[in-house]
Amino acid sequence: KAGVTQTPRYLIKTRGQQVTLSCSPISGHRSVSWYQQTPGQGLQFLFEYFSETQRNKGNFPGRFSGRQFSNSRSEMNVSTLELGDSALYLCASSLGPDRGRYDGYTFGSGTRLTVV
Amino acid sequence: SQELEQSPQSLIVQEGKNLTINCTSSKTLYGLYWYKQKYGEGLIFLMMLQKGGEEKSHEKITAKLDEKKQQSSLHITASQPSHAGIYLCGAESNQFYFGTGTSLTVIP
Repeated sequence: KAGVTQTPRYLIKTRGQQVTLSCSPISGHRSVSWYQQTPGQGLQFLFEYFSETQRNKGNFPGRFSGRQFSNSRSEMNVSTLELGDSALYLCASSLGPDRGRYDGYTFGSGTRLTVV
Repeated sequence: SQELEQSPQSLIVQEGKNLTINCTSSKTLYGLYWYKQKYGEGLIFLMMLQKGGEEKSHEKITAKLDEKKQQSSLHITASQPSHAGIYLCGAESNQFYFGTGTSLTVIP
């Protein structure tokens, strides 16, 4: 079966711009989580969506937002980009909330965002 | 504050050598995940440990969970260059969180 698909793989944006990243989960998976990975902070949780609703949110400013569609695909948006937003953004899917702990989370290959 | 501390932070070993990576939690562990990440890429699920004392193996990688010590270890036997990457432990409370990561380099 197809894995978790993230698009685009690479992105270069200018400070102040906004960006939208996309994540298509594994077929049948209804929960999508987003993470930011930087050399200094490691992997940090952004938010989790299930049934088009945000279930959990990490410690990130309001410039980071997301949404989930009825087909479980998810997008995350970062507005007013800052240099520090340069990172690898990963999404993970699981069958549903609380199912990840039993069935595991499957990660996409990530989107590498560079802000210049 | 970091809730999952991994040690060592980085490791360089000769091909064929055994190695162990540790993951220590500041909270009670109800389950522990191990992932591997190739540099700059997504995470590959290795295994999940749910019960204290549980031990799982996949190919040359073995992981154990010690609930009392709030610790898990990942052991690689006869390391190969293909084992190189970043190893991350993860756990879940109301959200999923990761350890600090261990970078492994295997020298042929």
